[in-house]
Amino acid sequence: EDQVTQSPEALRLQEGESSSLNCSYTVSGLRGLFWYRQDPGKGPEFLFTLYSAGEEKEKERLKATLTKKESFLHITAPKPEDSATYLCAGNDKIIFGKGTRLHILP
Amino acid sequence: GAVVSQHPSWVICKSGTSVKIECRSLDFQATTMFWYRQFPKQSLMLMATSNEGSKATYEQGVEKDKFLINHASLTLSTLTVTSAHPEDSSFYICSARPPGREYEQYFGPGTRLTVT
Repeated sequence: EDQVTQSPEALRLQEGESSSLNCSYTVSGLRGLFWYRQDPGKGPEFLFTLYSAGEEKEKERLKATLTKKESFLHITAPKPEDSATYLCAGNDKIIFGKGTRLHILP
Repeated sequence: GAVVSQHPSWVICKSGTSVKIECRSLDFQATTMFWYRQFPKQSLMLMATSNEGSKATYEQGVEKDKFLINHASLTLSTLTVTSAHPEDSSFYICSARPPGREYEQYFGPGTRLTVT
């Protein structure tokens, strides 16, 4: 069964404290690994698509990487405005993980 | 680019009534749109795939007679929750796929449905 698992479920960081969020997947024939940001009461906002192992993409303080079994979303020197739930999803039909609720303390 | 809107953003209805939610792609044409529901602190669960000009494809366990989907144009898909019950209360989110971006989706802001 195709599955996407994210860890940790929640993460609290001090402003400026870098960390990584994990997304492990067991998806047959993966055609894309997606990262989204979701703010409370809003729809997900597209961040990155990764297609093949070894690929990396960056946007401001975020960098997404992909291996054959997992993806990481690295956040460097986060700011309070980076607080959100980060979702990863796999494959064409988009199988979502449960997300990591990130809270950055000022 | 790739902006998707939903209307209404929230709705309260009485048990037994029907509610229609609209999803529009504002700056691109979308042959494929998706409908999700999300419960508090849970992830998005795909309900159905909506293809312009053809019947929607529903995921296992989703009642197609209860959740009616119509994708009448390349920029509009609608979800009608028929005979709504309190357990249908949820956050409904649509997404649309821009042409030429086979594996990407852009999401609408969501519709909060509360059935009393």
